[in-house]
Amino acid sequence: AQSVSQHNHHVILSEAASLELGCNYSYGGTVNLFWYVQYPGQHLQLLLKYFSGDPLVKGIKGFEAEFIKSKFSFNLRKPSVQWSDTAEYFCAVSSSNFGNEKLTFGTGTRLTIIP
Amino acid sequence: KAGVTQTPRYLIKTRGQQVTLSCSPISGHRSVSWYQQTPGQGLQFLFEYFSETQRNKGNFPGRFSGRQFSNSRSEMNVSTLELGDSALYLCASSLSSGRNTIYFGEGSWLTVV
Repeated sequence: AQSVSQHNHHVILSEAASLELGCNYSYGGTVNLFWYVQYPGQHLQLLLKYFSGDPLVKGIKGFEAEFIKSKFSFNLRKPSVQWSDTAEYFCAVSSSNFGNEKLTFGTGTRLTIIP
Repeated sequence: KAGVTQTPRYLIKTRGQQVTLSCSPISGHRSVSWYQQTPGQGLQFLFEYFSETQRNKGNFPGRFSGRQFSNSRSEMNVSTLELGDSALYLCASSLSSGRNTIYFGEGSWLTVV
């Protein structure tokens, strides 16, 4: 069975600080990896995704993530955060086998940016 | 293009009642999934439909059911509501190509009293 771990439950940073949110997954096959963001009162939005190829993927709003297969990790990074990045961030994994659309989510990391 | 649309957005039901939630996927998307989001359990997969057939199912009791119509629109139903069913129910759609991006709707907020 798939599982996703996000070890940081609540992160508080000042504006302009660098961000790294950890994500580790457990799955025996080939996976697709995602980071979603949920701003206060809004729906889940896709930040970035990894299917294959270059393990460093860039997403919207200056976010990037690196897939390290040997560590089963897909950490999210941003060099300089803004107050508007305050949100909840979810790492998710799905099987890359056709016909398996199930996303397994981590428990989420609440990010608070202090102006 | 229009995103995933869910109705109703907010509803309040009494214990023991049943509820039906509706979801219209992005045009052209044939896979529709449902998730339950609660503060305690996070985001949990309920089920997924493709071409009117349930293809994947999560670990929820039989009170939770769904269906998909020929136009890919989907409904989920929860019967005999319990207080613990209070949650945000999210619908998601995708092309179902194996390497797919799954897009979420705004959700239906269900409160059971």
